[in-house]
Amino acid sequence: DSGVTQTPKHLITATGQRVTLRCSPRSGDLSVYWYQQSLDQGLQFLIQYYNGEERAKGNILERFSAQQFPDLHSELNLSSLELGDSALYFCASSASPGTQYFGPGTRLTVL
Amino acid sequence: DQQVKQNSPSLSVQEGRISILNCDYTNSMFDYFLWYKKYPAEGPTFLISISSIKDKNEDGRFTVFLNKSAKHLSLHIVPSQPGDSAVYFCAATYQGGSEKLVFGKGTKLTVNP
Repeated sequence: DSGVTQTPKHLITATGQRVTLRCSPRSGDLSVYWYQQSLDQGLQFLIQYYNGEERAKGNILERFSAQQFPDLHSELNLSSLELGDSALYFCASSASPGTQYFGPGTRLTVL
Repeated sequence: DQQVKQNSPSLSVQEGRISILNCDYTNSMFDYFLWYKKYPAEGPTFLISISSIKDKNEDGRFTVFLNKSAKHLSLHIVPSQPGDSAVYFCAATYQGGSEKLVFGKGTKLTVNP
């Protein structure tokens, strides 16, 4: 158990809808990272938050957004969903640059 | 542009033997490298890491070797056990810049009893 929790574990929705994925980092970790794993792309970095502020952005679509709250939990919002957004979404946290610890992921299926 | 490459999609070894998983990178800015293990339906689990100032790091049955001149790293598992069967991801980052991890596409290791 990495100490990072993610909810929900599975999410099934329709195209055009909006969903919110939630992540709670390990106790004391200020950084939260979001990654997407699709079948053919491997694990791709989406965005990082540090202590409530956006710190780095990867190949995150404009339809996607994230935030980190004062209690350090983070939410990833995905809107106007398309079939291609079906993937595993992982959250990771770290106390300092370097080793990141991953949650169990949310499997999103867009029908 | 794939900056971290794991050229072997799969590897099969016998229990008790050595497993060697390889990883190549192209970005010379990378200065910290990690290996993660992933079981189906679970998140990646951190295994071992190495800083670019070292060429070897050992933790129990796991050893990572780094060859900076060749931009190559490898993970050795000795002895291999059936429970080691999983997908192994190599990842890299550079601590002076973005903290994102850049992942290879993974190698599926199967350890046969």
